[in-house]
This record gives sequence, C-alpha cells and structure tokens, in this order.
Amino acid sequence: DTGVSQDPRHKITKRGQNVTFRCDPISEHNRLYWYRQTLGQGPEFLTYFQNEAQLEKSRLLSDRFSAERPKGSFSTLEIQRTEQGDSAMYLCASSLSDIYGYTFGSGTRLTVV
Amino acid sequence: DAKTTQPPSMDCAEGRAANLPCNHSTISGNEYVYWYRQIHSQGPQYIIHGLKNNETNEMASLIITEDRKSSTLILPHATLRDTAVYYCGGGSNYKLTFGKGTLLTVNP
Repeated sequence: DTGVSQDPRHKITKRGQNVTFRCDPISEHNRLYWYRQTLGQGPEFLTYFQNEAQLEKSRLLSDRFSAERPKGSFSTLEIQRTEQGDSAMYLCASSLSDIYGYTFGSGTRLTVV
Repeated sequence: DAKTTQPPSMDCAEGRAANLPCNHSTISGNEYVYWYRQIHSQGPQYIIHGLKNNETNEMASLIITEDRKSSTLILPHATLRDTAVYYCGGGSNYKLTFGKGTLLTVNP
C-alpha cells in the first residue's frame, strides 16, 4: 500500500491553457474524492466517485472542470481554459466507506500565470 | 453543511497535553465530527472522528459535547512533530466540510 498518489506535484501553466491532473487511489478503496485548497483555507469539496460513477459535484466545479474515473481505478481532473483564480492545491483522497477517514494524497499545486 | 469555528493559532509545550477546541453549532444530526491535520506541503492526515460519543485512538482523543455543538481534540503528550494545522469539520456519506483550522505550534 503506497497511499494515494498524485501527479504532477506542481504545475505552472499560462492562462487559457488546459491542464490535467492524475490521482491513483489506494487500490482497494472504491470511493475517490477531489478537493481544492487555497492559501489559508481548509480543503473544499469538488467531486466524488463511487467506483466509476461520479455521484456528486460541487457548485465550485464550473463547466471548465471535468473529472473522470474510468474502470473505477485512477481518476483525472481536467481544467480547460485555466484562469488565475484556478491557482490552488488540488487534493485527491480515497476511502473504503463514509465511516472511515479519507486518505489524502500530497496534492497537485497549480499556478496559473 | 457544518460551519466550524476554530482559534487561528495555539501554542503548547512539548510533553504537555494539547487541547484544540472547535465550534460546530450548525452540524446536523447525521454528520460526524472529523479532525484532520496538515503539515506544510502535505495532504491532510486523518486523526479521529465521532458522532455522539467520545472517541480515542492511538493518536488522540475526541470529546464531543452532549448537544454536539462543540468538540475538543486532545493530543495527550504533544511532540514537536505534532506542529501542524488542525482542521475540524463535519461530514457524512461522502463530503467533508473543513474550517480554516488552528495552527498548533509545539515548543521545546
């Protein structure tokens, strides 16, 4: 068990470019979550998958954001036409069920210039 | 969603107990109280959670008031490695709601 892996750890992109982040959860975890964290704030919920089904999306997830979890394994989060306000740490987490705590990855820090 | 209020910072002497308070007066009846901590540049780490009863694990103890409007996380013997931002939050089913957290600094 190597924990939750996220790639890349850091990403700098120009405004208007598209970016994609990858998350590899703990293998036996069927639930996967994406959160966003800005400086000085706690993580904010973005979206949730149970196996391959995306069951919930936050209002924070605008039309420029899309997440997938093909075959219920790894997940990707894509941001199209990035804006400076998208600069944040994007955190992925996984869990077995809601009564157990999440295991978070180390995050992908996105900087939009 | 549960709204949480925590002091922005606290200090604790190494070896002493650290007691971190959290107000979550809007927490609903089916939401658990969760505590996580985050060390700089890492993802949050799960500490403990509870619904109504007090809970203890190898990391900490969680005391939840009877009306569930507040809780206290207790680190019984704080070490320098416990210096981190501690987040209290509410959660159920799939979603956690975090506050701004408390920066706990453990001093030698």
